[in-house]
Amino acid sequence: DVKVTQSSRYLVKRTGEKVFLECVQDMDHENMFWYRQDPGLGLRLIYFSYDVKMKEKGDIPEGYSVSREKKERFSLILESASTNQTSMYLCASSRLTGPNQPQHFGDGTRLSIL
Amino acid sequence: GQQLNQSPQSMFIQEGEDVSMNCTSSSIFNTWLWYKQDPGEGPVLLIALYKAGELTSNGRLTAQFGITRKDSFLNISASIPSDVGIYFCAGITGGGGADGLTFGKGTHLIIQP
Repeated sequence: DVKVTQSSRYLVKRTGEKVFLECVQDMDHENMFWYRQDPGLGLRLIYFSYDVKMKEKGDIPEGYSVSREKKERFSLILESASTNQTSMYLCASSRLTGPNQPQHFGDGTRLSIL
Repeated sequence: GQQLNQSPQSMFIQEGEDVSMNCTSSSIFNTWLWYKQDPGEGPVLLIALYKAGELTSNGRLTAQFGITRKDSFLNISASIPSDVGIYFCAGITGGGGADGLTFGKGTHLIIQP
């Protein structure tokens, strides 16, 4: 089975802090994704990556950056946290090759910015 | 971008009832996926559909890929308490990467004992 592991289930930070959310997958997947999930808005894509050191903006990249130094690890960075970034953050991974590969998700990090 | 209309938004049902939910779009998709998300957890893939007209079952769950490639439905038979959660549909256009994946906003299933 695919295992996507997010480093924290719950995180509380203060406004203005730099916040790192870590995600690791163990299936040698090329693609990795970061979403945020908010009530009534569903899943919104922040950033994704096809390969090491490669990144692409999703639908809502403002206020975020990412890092992919190793294939198995994809980090989401909140440069200066704000209260409107309080949300559930979900990491996902999938294969690049093969027909329309589904994404596999981690358990999420519930982030609160005070 | 593409949008998926998932309905109903929420369902309140009695244990033992059958459940039906669907997703529709004005765009064509090459793959339909159904996920379930338990409270406080990440979405888990339930069923993947790859061909128009395909009907696939996973235990008490049955999903179909619409002939027009613009819709899909998920049925749950004889619901039980552990079926509670949010069900998401997702469509893949086959364009590659995240550009090709679109999520519905979810159907929140609540089961009354």
